Amino acid sequence: AQTVTQSQPEMSVQEAETVTLSCTYDTSESDYYLFWYKQPPSRQMILVIRQEAYKQQNATENRFSVNFQKAAKSFSLKISDSQLGDAAMYFCAYRPNNAGNMLTFGGGTRLMVKP
Amino acid sequence: NAGVTQTPKFRILKIGQSMTLQCTQDMNHNYMYWYRQDPGMGLKLIYYSVGAGITDKGEVPNGYNVSRSTTEDFPLRLELAAPSQTSVYFCASSYSDRNTIYFGEGSWLTVV
Repeated sequence: AQTVTQSQPEMSVQEAETVTLSCTYDTSESDYYLFWYKQPPSRQMILVIRQEAYKQQNATENRFSVNFQKAAKSFSLKISDSQLGDAAMYFCAYRPNNAGNMLTFGGGTRLMVKP
Repeated sequence: NAGVTQTPKFRILKIGQSMTLQCTQDMNHNYMYWYRQDPGMGLKLIYYSVGAGITDKGEVPNGYNVSRSTTEDFPLRLELAAPSQTSVYFCASSYSDRNTIYFGEGSWLTVV
């Protein structure tokens, strides 16, 4: 069974600074996808960034980037130039690239942004 | 774009009552999902569907039923509500199992 672990229940960052959220996962698969979702107080789940395991290049979306270490099974999210609107719960998720397999979520990290 | 729409957003149920959470998507997605999120936890898959007429159990299906008569709709039924079903429920959809999943805004359910 796959597991996703987010070891930081809460993180805090000063506005305009950079913060990194950690995620590790356990799998025997070689082909899979990894995701970071943002959940603001409205509770809507918003896709932040996605990484295909076969790609060596780390995904980037504007101020959001990942550090994907396949051998270490690590998938951290870096938020640069943090903004007040980045405050939310962040969930790491994993899905193997086999038909019928679904997302497995980590427990989440609550990010607070200080003005 | 409407995306994934869930109703109701909030509901309070008494123990033993039944209700249906509605979910509809307008993106012509084949796959649809129901997740629940307990306080301070990640999401757990209740049921999913890979197309009209096909449904399968996820990680936590007990106490729930689903149907998928059309591509657009995927209602979740709670029979004999229990306090353990107090949670936030998310409907989601994707074109296939290899595409990004899009979530609805969630439905808050309290069973008292």
